[in-house]
Amino acid sequence: ETGVTQSPTHLIKTRGQQVTLRCSSQSGHNTVSWYQQALGQGPQFIFQYYREEENGRGNFPPRFSGLQFPNYSSELNVNALELDDSALYLCASSLEQGRDEQYFGPGTRLTVT
Amino acid sequence: RKEVEQDPGPFNVPEGATVAFNCTYSNSASQSFFWYRQDCRKEPKLLMSVYSSGNEDGRFTAQLNRASQYISLLIRDSKLSDSATYLCVVRTGRRALTFGSGTRLQVQP
Repeated sequence: ETGVTQSPTHLIKTRGQQVTLRCSSQSGHNTVSWYQQALGQGPQFIFQYYREEENGRGNFPPRFSGLQFPNYSSELNVNALELDDSALYLCASSLEQGRDEQYFGPGTRLTVT
Repeated sequence: RKEVEQDPGPFNVPEGATVAFNCTYSNSASQSFFWYRQDCRKEPKLLMSVYSSGNEDGRFTAQLNRASQYISLLIRDSKLSDSATYLCVVRTGRRALTFGSGTRLQVQP
């Protein structure tokens, strides 16, 4: 196990609602990245947080937002959910930004109906 | 054009076979290269990093050709437990990882 945990494991929401997903990084890791993985696709980078600040963002709209806390845990918030937001959401932690080793959590499977 | 392209497969091979996966990447400034393995409905796990000189880990050999922007993974003596999706992954600068869509491998008894 990587030591990265995510909650909840599964979630069902209705279109238009808001959702918050949580991630606890591996001990000592100060960088957290979030990815979205649609069925049959590879993970796509949403954004990265380093020491509580957003440090890079992929091609996702502003309704995807996040936070990183002083203990380096992180949240992903998605507003105004759309059907296409249904996916596996993965967080990965690493010791420092730009370090090669990223350790993934088990993911949160979000279904939007 | 996708940043990282892979043949989606599936590759169906018998136990003991040798199988090779290929991947191309579009950003010549990419610096780090990896193969990740992902089992059904699980998170990706790092299989191995890929170096210009090529590297081997047991039955797995990875190669990188920077001139052609091409990465490969060779699996020898396939086991049933090798059945998974193999993701080609690239990192450019300090950016996060860019994943291919994955190649599915099914090893059959």
